[in-house]
Amino acid sequence: GNSVTQMEGPVTLSEEAFLTINCTYTATGYPSLFWYVQYPGEGLQLLLKATKADDKGSNKGFEATYRKETTSFHLEKGSVQVSDSAVYFCALSDRQGAQKLVFGQGTRLTINP
Amino acid sequence: DAGITQSPRHKVTETGTPVTLRCHQTENHRYMYWYRQDPGHGLRLIHYSYGVKDTDKGEVSDGYSVSRSKTEDFLLTLESATSSQTSVYFCAISETGDSYEQYFGPGTRLTVT
Repeated sequence: GNSVTQMEGPVTLSEEAFLTINCTYTATGYPSLFWYVQYPGEGLQLLLKATKADDKGSNKGFEATYRKETTSFHLEKGSVQVSDSAVYFCALSDRQGAQKLVFGQGTRLTINP
Repeated sequence: DAGITQSPRHKVTETGTPVTLRCHQTENHRYMYWYRQDPGHGLRLIHYSYGVKDTDKGEVSDGYSVSRSKTEDFLLTLESATSSQTSVYFCAISETGDSYEQYFGPGTRLTVT
């Protein structure tokens, strides 16, 4: 079946550091890929998405590129801020009818000033 | 913000009792989903609905049932709660399938003692 694997957390960085959170997936066919973010005490919000190979999703300074050859969708940001502290989830959808998301386990990110 | 509410927001119940969680949307979206969030597992799909009275199972449906008698309401029922069902439950909605964004509710924290 489909699955998503994220790098183990928690991740702690200083403000203005470069961020990478690794995500790899296993899927049949050509899934859509997503990064969701969860701030403390809230539900998840879509951060960015990519629907086909070599697409780059971007939002709020975050980027991720859909790499079919390496089955990866790594999240990057050039200069993180304290406000980026949250839990980040990589997810895929198999594009078969209803959008049944399969999530990675989540990576908790803490940014220190 | 998408109009999604969940009730109750917190509940403590005893093993063996029935529990119903409610998700209400004001967006008139076709698809509705129930997920549970547990440490180390990310979010996992319990059940979803693709229209009034049209529902299907997700990855972790055992012990749960759902109903959708109106577009705006999606109910999740634990017929006889167990301690393994202690979790945070999230409802989500989407306008259609495939690559469209899912909007998440604020979550319900359920504790089964």
